[in-house]
Amino acid sequence: QSVLTQPPSVSGAPGQRVTISCTGSSSNIGADYDVHWYQHLPGTAPKVLIYDNNNRPSGVPDRFSGSKSGTSASLAITGLQTEDEADYYCQSYDNSLSDWVFGGGTKLTVL
Amino acid sequence: EVQLVQSGAEVKKPGESLRISCRGSGYRFTSYWITWVRQTPGKGLQWMGIVDPSDSYINYSPSFQGHVTISADKSISTAYLQWSSLKASDTGVYYCARLRRYLEGGPYYYMDVWGTGTTVTVSS
Repeated sequence: QSVLTQPPSVSGAPGQRVTISCTGSSSNIGADYDVHWYQHLPGTAPKVLIYDNNNRPSGVPDRFSGSKSGTSASLAITGLQTEDEADYYCQSYDNSLSDWVFGGGTKLTVL
Repeated sequence: EVQLVQSGAEVKKPGESLRISCRGSGYRFTSYWITWVRQTPGKGLQWMGIVDPSDSYINYSPSFQGHVTISADKSISTAYLQWSSLKASDTGVYYCARLRRYLEGGPYYYMDVWGTGTTVTVSS
């Protein structure tokens, strides 16, 4: 069971917008620790999509955006493409565990 | 191209020892910390610890302290994760990742480059 809670799956049609939530607590996201998001296609290296809540590394399309409020964060993907079909993970820091912590992952299916 | 190349899959028996590796290329290896992350079906992604290749400073997650050993050899740009006595519960996929600091002071890092993972299977 992961410290950060994500929905197991989300889906959307090509061109649509989807959001993936990441719910934490007062010892991680709620303690104002930043949230980062990663995309993972099985068998490949995970890739960072968003760091520091809402910043995109160079090369990441602006279709991907992040936000944070209170004890939760969200990843939004607009203009869904078939290549976006992957697993998505949120990550933050937890001061009660003294650990960097991850969400359980969300599988995105592009219908 | 910046890459982290990990060693191949391993199949081991309980009680055996193992060391897996992660070689960095395309950047100055000593300028970035390396972290290890475990992926298992039951517990998802778990941070295991970090190593600073410049001086071999190591920090373990409390969950993994005493169970694994993390190290680095800067002369060959390689980080290691090792076990002295494997258990079936160590079965999983192990990723190394490079940590990029984006703010000074505090845990302001994110994993900007990842290896493709090493699958470790421990079974009798």
